[in-house]
Amino acid sequence: DAKTTQPTSMDCAEGRAANLPCNHSTISGNEYVYWYRQIHSQGPQYIIHGLKNNETNEMASLIITEDRKSSTLILPHATLRDTAVYYCIVRVESGFGNEKLTFGTGTRLTIIP
Amino acid sequence: NAGVTQTPKFRILKIGQSMTLQCAQDMNHNYMYWYRQDPGMGLKLIYYSVGAGITDKGEVPNGYNVSRSTTEDFPLRLELAAPSQTSVYFCASRDRDRGSGANVLTFGAGSRLTVL
Repeated sequence: DAKTTQPTSMDCAEGRAANLPCNHSTISGNEYVYWYRQIHSQGPQYIIHGLKNNETNEMASLIITEDRKSSTLILPHATLRDTAVYYCIVRVESGFGNEKLTFGTGTRLTIIP
Repeated sequence: NAGVTQTPKFRILKIGQSMTLQCAQDMNHNYMYWYRQDPGMGLKLIYYSVGAGITDKGEVPNGYNVSRSTTEDFPLRLELAAPSQTSVYFCASRDRDRGSGANVLTFGAGSRLTVL
C-alpha cells in the first residue's frame, strides 16, 4: 500500500467546514483512497472512499487531485461530535497480499465550540 | 444484526497468564482481522483471515495465535502474557471484493487488555 502523510492535528470551529488533507504521492493507478475516523477509544468507522472522481455521501466529501497524489476530506458543517482521529489509507481493491492494511497515526481533529 | 462483537471489553492479566479474546461477526464476511492500538498510536495488524481455515500473519504477530474454524468466529489467543501486550485490541471484518472498491472494514468496540 502507498504511504500516506497527514498533519498530526487540526482545529476547526463548530459549524465551519473541516478540510483534512492527505498526501499519497506514491499511489498506484489501482489504489483507492479510504478515510476512516476513530472517536475517542471506539473502533474506527468508515467515512468514504474514492478512486479518481470526487465523492460525496451523507457524512463527507472526498476531493482527489487530478494527479491523485493528494486528497482532502471535507466535513461540510463540523459539529462537536466530529472530534476524532481521521485516518487516510490507500489500498488496492483486490489481489493476493493486499490485506496488510496500515492505519498510521492519522490527524487528530478538534472541533472548537 | 449485531455487526462485530468482541469479548471481553476489559481484562487484567498477570505476566505469564494466557487468555483468548473472542470476536464474532454475523454479516457472513469472509475477511477478518485483529489489530492492536497502543496509546497515541495507530492500529497495527496482528493477524488476518481470508476465510474459514485460512489465516496469515500481519505486522506484529509475535506472542499471539489465531484460528478460524468458522466464518463467524476469529479468536485471538495470547500465550504467556507480557506487559508489552498491554493494548486495546480491535477485531474487524469485511465482505469479499465486489469490484466497486468498497472494501469497507467494520470494527468491533475493542477489548482493553492490561498485563501487570
